[in-house]
Amino acid sequence: GAGVSQTPSNKVTEKGKYVELRCDPISGHTALYWYRQSLGQGPEFLIYFQGTGAADDSGLPNDRFFAVRPEGSVSTLKIQRTERGDSAVYLCASSLRGGGRRGNTEAFFGQGTRLTVV
Amino acid sequence: KQEVTQIPAALSVPEGENLVLNCSFTDSAIYNLQWFRQDPGKGLTSLLLIQSSQREQTSGRLNASLDKSSGRSTLYIAASQPGDSATYLCAVTSGNEKLTFGTGTRLTIIP
Repeated sequence: GAGVSQTPSNKVTEKGKYVELRCDPISGHTALYWYRQSLGQGPEFLIYFQGTGAADDSGLPNDRFFAVRPEGSVSTLKIQRTERGDSAVYLCASSLRGGGRRGNTEAFFGQGTRLTVV
Repeated sequence: KQEVTQIPAALSVPEGENLVLNCSFTDSAIYNLQWFRQDPGKGLTSLLLIQSSQREQTSGRLNASLDKSSGRSTLYIAASQPGDSATYLCAVTSGNEKLTFGTGTRLTIIP
């Protein structure tokens, strides 16, 4: 696609339920990032994929959060037993190769999924 | 741990004025710095990417500078327009290859 696509754009769920958030990166981008943004704050890092593998998952807050990218393209962020504190905008980004040693490439973000846990 | 700070948190200026937004970071060992724009309820739009070896980048009315040794970047917006009203975020990429963001500057251009 032309840009990073995230679905759904909005998700309202009840406390304790399971949710999946989907990210479709720009075609050919090997690096994929998930961030979480609370109101009035900057995005906070959750997890970074290089290809199919999670290169850095140090930002996942606890074991209720999990993400996969089985074919190196689409990624799914999974949240189990949702809590009201999980309410936020979840942002996905992709870049051609990722920053750092592999190349200083630009990150492009999707429109985000606004998750509300009631 | 890398920390990014943006000051001021909010800024209002009359239309037509030039303005500067500031970003500072604690660890100068970065690979690049990126400026983003975020409109209310929307995702992030990339404005400019400055590689660690560069001093500045320009795109239209926007100019971003980078002083890596002092841990600072500025985003200069010339001839501001009401459509420039948004939150501006800076982010740095460090050795762990993830972007670390500031909390943003909320800019309002007054017609």
